[in-house]
Amino acid sequence: DTAVSQTPKYLVTQMGNDKSIKCEQNLGHDTMYWYKQDSKKFLKIMFSYNNKELIINETVPNRFSPKSPDKAHLNLHINSLELGDSAVYFCASSSEGSPLHFGNGTRLTVT
Amino acid sequence: GQQLNQSPQSMFIQEGEDVSMNCTSSSIFNTWLWYKQDPGEGPVLLIALYKAGELTSNGRLTAQFGITRKDSFLNISASIPSDVGIYFCAGRNAGGTSYGKLTFGQGTILTVHP
Repeated sequence: DTAVSQTPKYLVTQMGNDKSIKCEQNLGHDTMYWYKQDSKKFLKIMFSYNNKELIINETVPNRFSPKSPDKAHLNLHINSLELGDSAVYFCASSSEGSPLHFGNGTRLTVT
Repeated sequence: GQQLNQSPQSMFIQEGEDVSMNCTSSSIFNTWLWYKQDPGEGPVLLIALYKAGELTSNGRLTAQFGITRKDSFLNISASIPSDVGIYFCAGRNAGGTSYGKLTFGQGTILTVHP
């Protein structure tokens, strides 16, 4: 009965590889987000989708491409991974008037 | 960009002590949120504040939305070991329409010694 679930929980990969992280929410929310948490624990928004439409796209390298097949899913694909991409990536969801609900994060380590 | 200044950055306290942390902003917010993050998990909402001056409690937690709309504090009374974690404030701009455009503080790492 997990509200916002993302997979995998851990992802270790080499520089230059392409990887994807998946997220699903069963809360009936219409907006989903990707946040990045760096080593200093700072949380920064990357993308937001509302009803499958991109509404927030912060300054993120275009190697990062979100994709929302439906309003319950938001995936994040990363091309040509770099060392600096190592971080914890959080998916979140909300509806108008409700605060964000976060998933448990995907710890990405690029070696 | 917009900044939220959260302090203190870390706290080491004894079980049973009270804790206080706060956030200040350079601009006005119309919503303040307080989240807690346990190790290996995502942030979980503790308290949401929607009106200047609002004081809201959730068990041993109390948070207030500052009158100036540029600050908020969170108090934890009679701390227990499971209060350990990282506490984040987050704010949404006046005029903002999306919760996704939250600005987060840098976090307060709380350690409670039994």
